[in-house]
Amino acid sequence: GAGVSQSPSNKVTEKGKDVELRCDPISGHTALYWYRQSLGQGLEFLIYFQGNSAPDKSGLPSDRFSAERTGGSVSTLTIQRTQQEDSAVYLCASSPQARAKTTGELFFGEGSRLTVL
Amino acid sequence: KNQVEQSPQSLIILEGKNCTLQCNYTVSPFSNLRWYKQDTGRGPVSLTIMTFSENTKSNGRYTATLDADTKQSSLHITASQLSDSASYICVVRHASGTYKYIFGTGTRLKVLA
Repeated sequence: GAGVSQSPSNKVTEKGKDVELRCDPISGHTALYWYRQSLGQGLEFLIYFQGNSAPDKSGLPSDRFSAERTGGSVSTLTIQRTQQEDSAVYLCASSPQARAKTTGELFFGEGSRLTVL
Repeated sequence: KNQVEQSPQSLIILEGKNCTLQCNYTVSPFSNLRWYKQDTGRGPVSLTIMTFSENTKSNGRYTATLDADTKQSSLHITASQLSDSASYICVVRHASGTYKYIFGTGTRLKVLA
């Protein structure tokens, strides 16, 4: 696609429910990132996928959070048993590759705003 | 600890005026530094990139500077426009992990008519 596509753009859920957020990266981009943006905070790294390599899950805040990337393209971030503190904007970004000699520009989607009541 | 700090936290200026946003970082080793613009409700978009050897780079009315010795960068906006109202985020790429990025909390700029 022309850009990184995320869905849903807005999600309101009740505490304890599960949610799935989807990210469709730019075609051909092998690197995919999920970040969380809370009000007044910098972007918080969640997880990184690069091609067929094992993902870096070091940023996931708890075992309620998981993500997968199927076929090296679309990614889904799943939050189980949502809590109010999970309320934030979840941003997905992709880049052509994550090698040392590349500029490393991140191309972001519009984000999914999650509100947990 | 690898950190990126931005100032001011927020700024209000009149249309047509200039302004300068600051970014201080402690990320080491350093690969590059980017300034992103994030409009309300949108994802960040890259404005400019600075590598270790670069001091100044311009993109239209945006001029970024980098002092690698003092680990400071600035983004100067000339002749501001209403459309410049946004958050400006300084992002430093860590050299030891090619996918490691450290984000500042951003400066929220409001341009008034």
